[in-house]
Amino acid sequence: GEDVEQSLFLSVREGDSSVINCTYTDSSSTYLYWYKQEPGAGLQLLTYIFSNMDMKQDQRLTVLLNKKDKHLSLRIADTQTGDSAIYFCAEIPGGSYIPTFGRGTSLIVHP
Amino acid sequence: DAGVIQSPRHEVTEMGQEVTLRCKPISGHNSLFWYRQTMMRGLELLIYFNNNVPIDDSGMPEDRFSAKMPNASFSTLKIQPSEPRDSAVYFCASSSGTLRDGYTFGSGTRLTVV
Repeated sequence: GEDVEQSLFLSVREGDSSVINCTYTDSSSTYLYWYKQEPGAGLQLLTYIFSNMDMKQDQRLTVLLNKKDKHLSLRIADTQTGDSAIYFCAEIPGGSYIPTFGRGTSLIVHP
Repeated sequence: DAGVIQSPRHEVTEMGQEVTLRCKPISGHNSLFWYRQTMMRGLELLIYFNNNVPIDDSGMPEDRFSAKMPNASFSTLKIQPSEPRDSAVYFCASSSGTLRDGYTFGSGTRLTVV
């Protein structure tokens, strides 16, 4: 099956930028997503990027897509303590409606 | 819309008992997914329904697990008999089929089997 890979942990200082990375395996993936999960809650869609885009910016969030390397990243500018959560990368393989999720990256923001 | 609603939020049961988890998807969404989340295995897709019909149940662990979607506004995931290794957080998610809108998750049911 398809594997979406992410590092498990990232620790940053409040006010710094955070960059969460993800690699996916299906070169025909159409949509790629970033979800956020806060403690005790479900996953919440943060943003998406379509496969014909290289970059998407939404306020403090910047998504970069490198299709050649099948690499996706999420940059959070001016990281705040409220950004502490688990961030999941997900892809929609070509011809499918079923998302494949990574294991999630725990972002820890310390003062 | 109140979002995807799951019940109960927490369930503690004894090994061997039957457990039923419930989900109400967002009105108008035609796809429904059941996921299981554990520390060891991350987020696993159990089953996917489209227009109330099970399309992919290859993730259902074994015959002890069953899922139904009798109508567009309700789905259940049943475990009978339950075992301690079933302890996990179970999520229901729904989708309109418009991929850029993504998938809306419920708050999950934390199941503990003792």
